[in-house]
Amino acid sequence: DQQVKQNSPSLSVQEGRISILNCDYTNSMFDYFLWYKKYPAEGPTFLISISSIKDKNEDGRFTVFLNKSAKHLSLHIVPSQPGDSAVYFCAASDRYQLIWGAGTKLIIKP
Amino acid sequence: DGGITQSPKYLFRKEGQNVTLSCEQNLNHDAMYWYRQDPGQGLRLIYYSQIVNDFQKGDIAEGYSVSREKKESFPLTVTSAQKNPTAFYLCASSRGTPLETQYFGPGTRLLVL
Repeated sequence: DQQVKQNSPSLSVQEGRISILNCDYTNSMFDYFLWYKKYPAEGPTFLISISSIKDKNEDGRFTVFLNKSAKHLSLHIVPSQPGDSAVYFCAASDRYQLIWGAGTKLIIKP
Repeated sequence: DGGITQSPKYLFRKEGQNVTLSCEQNLNHDAMYWYRQDPGQGLRLIYYSQIVNDFQKGDIAEGYSVSREKKESFPLTVTSAQKNPTAFYLCASSRGTPLETQYFGPGTRLLVL
């Protein structure tokens, strides 16, 4: 039973446009959410996080939105750049461990 | 230059063989983690350790063992009891709890001959 779901295995976006990556969760006890980015043959690197007391967190080109009632979060990348092409993982914390989604492969087209 | 190193990059296991994956960190982090990644799935926690000489099982600990004799090192042994060991293994560390940002090594790909 997947508690964190990323329903789009891949997403293709034109360079300069907005990329929107989605993540749904089922456990209402999750109170902290993170996005990690992973290049091939490397470990994931932390990108941005959000606490459940907030509904938005921004860091440069990256913004994460949290909708607690819908148990949904999204990562917006504006504008998308070629170096953003990677796999993006959503993760949720219940204070004891991180539960990871399966990832979405983002491809930025020139 | 702080970070996490994992070795080897690729590892081949024969039937019935135990193999050990190395993970070392020089970030002075207390907590260390081992994850397994299979195609189309998220990272799944195998074991984690929040302090030297102490570790806890994650969701998929069966067929694996770990030790934490030093703060810097958290080796993972894939035993012969693990019937489907082919996967990408990632080691991570954080300052304390899982709420802290986790820093990952480059991973080890384990293949069965």
